[in-house]
Amino acid sequence: KQEVTQIPAALSVPEGENLVLNCSFTDSAIYNLQWFRQDPGKGLTSLLLIQSSQREQTSGRLNASLDKSSGRSTLYIAASQPGDSATYLCAPNRDDKIIFGKGTRLHILP
Amino acid sequence: NAGVTQTPKFQVLKTGQSMTLQCAQDMNHNSMYWYRQDPGMGLRLIYYSASEGTTDKGEVPNGYNVSRLNKREFSLRLESAAPSQTSVYFCASRTSFYTGELFFGEGSRLTVL
Repeated sequence: KQEVTQIPAALSVPEGENLVLNCSFTDSAIYNLQWFRQDPGKGLTSLLLIQSSQREQTSGRLNASLDKSSGRSTLYIAASQPGDSATYLCAPNRDDKIIFGKGTRLHILP
Repeated sequence: NAGVTQTPKFQVLKTGQSMTLQCAQDMNHNSMYWYRQDPGMGLRLIYYSASEGTTDKGEVPNGYNVSRLNKREFSLRLESAAPSQTSVYFCASRTSFYTGELFFGEGSRLTVL
């Protein structure tokens, strides 16, 4: 059974810093991996989908990398802003039973 | 740009009552999902439908039933609600599991007294 771990569970950083969120998973036979953000009381918003054949995917200040063989993905956020404060979740996708990590709760200090 | 629409957004039930959560997507997706989210437990898959006409159990199916009414709609039914089913429920959809970017609805907050 796939297990997904996200470290750290919570993170507070000053505005403007670059930061890295980590996601590890036990079953590396995945087709793709998706990163989401969730604002309090809201649904999940897709940030990036990275296919198993890709090493990286970029969207604006966000960059996701995938090392399938080691079961790891990172989400890099450049020049963080207070609006980036949210919970970030990863979901490695092997089949229809998508398992989510518990997320990293990010707080950007103004 | 409706995407995934869930109704109702909020509901309060008494123990033993029944209700149905509705989900509809307008993206012509094949696969649809129901999750629940609880503090400290993360998102857990209740049921999913890989294609119209099929449904399968996820991690926590007990106490729930689902219906894939057509390609657009996937409903979740609580036959006899229990306080343990107090949660936020999310519906999601995507084209297929091997291609798929997953899209979520805004959630339905259910309280069972």
